[in-house]
Amino acid sequence: ELKVEQNPLFLSMQEGKNYTIYCNYSTTSDRLYWYRQDPGKSLESLFVLLSNGAVKQEGRLMASLDTKARLSTLHITAAVHDLSATYFCAVDISGSNYKLTFGKGTLLTVNP
Amino acid sequence: GAVVSQHPSRVICKSGTSVKIECRSLDFQATTMFWYRQFPKQSLMLMATSNEGSKATYEQGVEKDKFLINHASLTLSTLTVTSAHPEDSSFYICSAAPGGRYNEQFFGPGTRLTVL
Repeated sequence: ELKVEQNPLFLSMQEGKNYTIYCNYSTTSDRLYWYRQDPGKSLESLFVLLSNGAVKQEGRLMASLDTKARLSTLHITAAVHDLSATYFCAVDISGSNYKLTFGKGTLLTVNP
Repeated sequence: GAVVSQHPSRVICKSGTSVKIECRSLDFQATTMFWYRQFPKQSLMLMATSNEGSKATYEQGVEKDKFLINHASLTLSTLTVTSAHPEDSSFYICSAAPGGRYNEQFFGPGTRLTVL
């Protein structure tokens, strides 16, 4: 059974600071996704990471994937209040009809 | 592109009634659609996977007679919560995948169900 673990689950940080959210998974996977969810809303796709060593950046967020370590990171640079949200990583496995298994999510609060 | 809609966005119903939620892929054909449930402050839990024209595959612990899924066409799937009870109150999110090599899921905006 595929397990996906995120840490930390709660993150409170000040504006301007940097931090990293970690996502570990237990089985070889084809792809890893990062999503953002605002309160009361659905998921917004942030990144799709397809291969070992993949790095993608969008604004203050950068995601990377190490398939050998089964680890992905979401790095936040110089956080701003607008980044406050819950961030989920999710992993799928080929041959499983591409079902996604989600981590528990990281609730990020950026304080002024 | 890759827009998925859900209707209704919010529904309040009495205990014992049935509620139907629609999920549509607006600008692509979805070979597979997924239904998730999310309780407050929790992650998304996959309920079932449906492929057009075939029966849905339910995850362990999800009652197929209670959560009826119909994937009638390549752009429409419906989830019917039958004889709803307060414990069925949740945020229901669908996703649609176009198939092909990467088969990325695109998520709908969600439906907030409240059962009184």
